[in-house]
Amino acid sequence: ETGVTQSPTHLIKTRGQQVTLRCSSQSGHNTVSWYQQALGQGPQFIFQYYREEENGRGNFPPRFSGLQFPNYSSELNVNALELDDSALYLCASSLRGGGDTGELFFGEGSRLTVL
Amino acid sequence: AQSVTQLGSHVSVSEGALVLLRCNYSSSVPPYLFWYVQYPNQGLQLLLKYTSAATLVKGINGFEAEFKKSETSFHLTKPSAHMSDAAEYFCAVALGGDDKIIFGKGTRLHILP
Repeated sequence: ETGVTQSPTHLIKTRGQQVTLRCSSQSGHNTVSWYQQALGQGPQFIFQYYREEENGRGNFPPRFSGLQFPNYSSELNVNALELDDSALYLCASSLRGGGDTGELFFGEGSRLTVL
Repeated sequence: AQSVTQLGSHVSVSEGALVLLRCNYSSSVPPYLFWYVQYPNQGLQLLLKYTSAATLVKGINGFEAEFKKSETSFHLTKPSAHMSDAAEYFCAVALGGDDKIIFGKGTRLHILP
């Protein structure tokens, strides 16, 4: 069973740039959720993708966008980066409609630093 | 909207002592509740979950939590702390199995030798 993998693990960008983070979901999972975890804080829900459609969104501006592909992998895109976007971005996969609790399986995250 | 509040951003206990991490939830309907653990530079790992079955839930690594509706609480306990338990612990809530999971701010557990 392959776990959730994220890339890149670390990256540095400057204000105004754009970034794309990638996530491969766990085998058998059909849903991907993205979270932003600022230093010393809990993960904040960005959005969730199910069957290639956005299925729920947290309190994040439109410059945060995403995609889910037919193989259930996903991308998080952030445009016009701001200093406050510096954080650990966590991807989590789950099985929606599987009759269980939708337990999230997390990757180790992509740490973004915006200078 | 559902939310969780974790009391105490830092908790220190001696090795071998009882661990108690507090979590209170707010939800308009019976919630699903979770405890996750995060070790340094890693993602989150599920410790245990409550899904409206037994109110006392046992998880991995000797942890357990009790759902108390009257107190809207879901506190995490472990009878005897081990050095390897030092980590950040997050309480989380969801409205159902397919709902988004909302996390608390976390409690960092320190184990004293």
